[in-house]
Amino acid sequence: AQSVSQHNHHVILSEAASLELGCNYSYGGTVNLFWYVQYPGQHLQLLLKYFSGDPLVKGIKGFEAEFIKSKFSFNLRKPSVQWSDTAEYFCAVIGHDMRFGAGTRLTVKP
Amino acid sequence: GAGVSQSPSNKVTEKGKDVELRCDPISGHTALYWYRQSLGQGLEFLIYFQGNSAPDKSGLPSDRFSAERTGGSVSTLTIQRTQQEDSAVYLCASRGRILNTGELFFGEGSRLTVL
Repeated sequence: AQSVSQHNHHVILSEAASLELGCNYSYGGTVNLFWYVQYPGQHLQLLLKYFSGDPLVKGIKGFEAEFIKSKFSFNLRKPSVQWSDTAEYFCAVIGHDMRFGAGTRLTVKP
Repeated sequence: GAGVSQSPSNKVTEKGKDVELRCDPISGHTALYWYRQSLGQGLEFLIYFQGNSAPDKSGLPSDRFSAERTGGSVSTLTIQRTQQEDSAVYLCASRGRILNTGELFFGEGSRLTVL
């Protein structure tokens, strides 16, 4: 089965700082990649997804992610974070089924 | 309903008791997943149902855990002889027929506390 690894467990940033959250996956076949976000007290929701085509994917709220096949990576980025971005972020991959990484908790200090 | 519905939202039980958690997916969604979310553990895959195919049970942590999906719709996750380490939020998600639409729609979760 496929697996997903997220490098950072907890990231603390100040507002306006740039963000990059790492995600690596392992799977031998064609993958579809996702980032989900869980705001405090809310359910998981889709942030962005990659299926094919342009490896640079833009999502909601100014987030983007780049699929680098040679590195098996799908890192999430945002040039300038806001306090409202405080949440937990999960990378996920669909291969045979859908697997999630352990998540990265982002805390943005005002 | 419009979204994935889970019940109960909160369940407190005593060690050794059995519990059942219910998931009502979005109407027409053929794929249904159960995950467990524990503090610091992220989202742990438990089981996956796809249409009429045999479920992928590879994530179930022990034989105390089982799940069924009746009529291709509602699913029940059963935990027998609960242990304290079973305390977590159990999340259900469903997905539409076409794999490459990809997006999972999550329920609010059932928070299980085993005393």
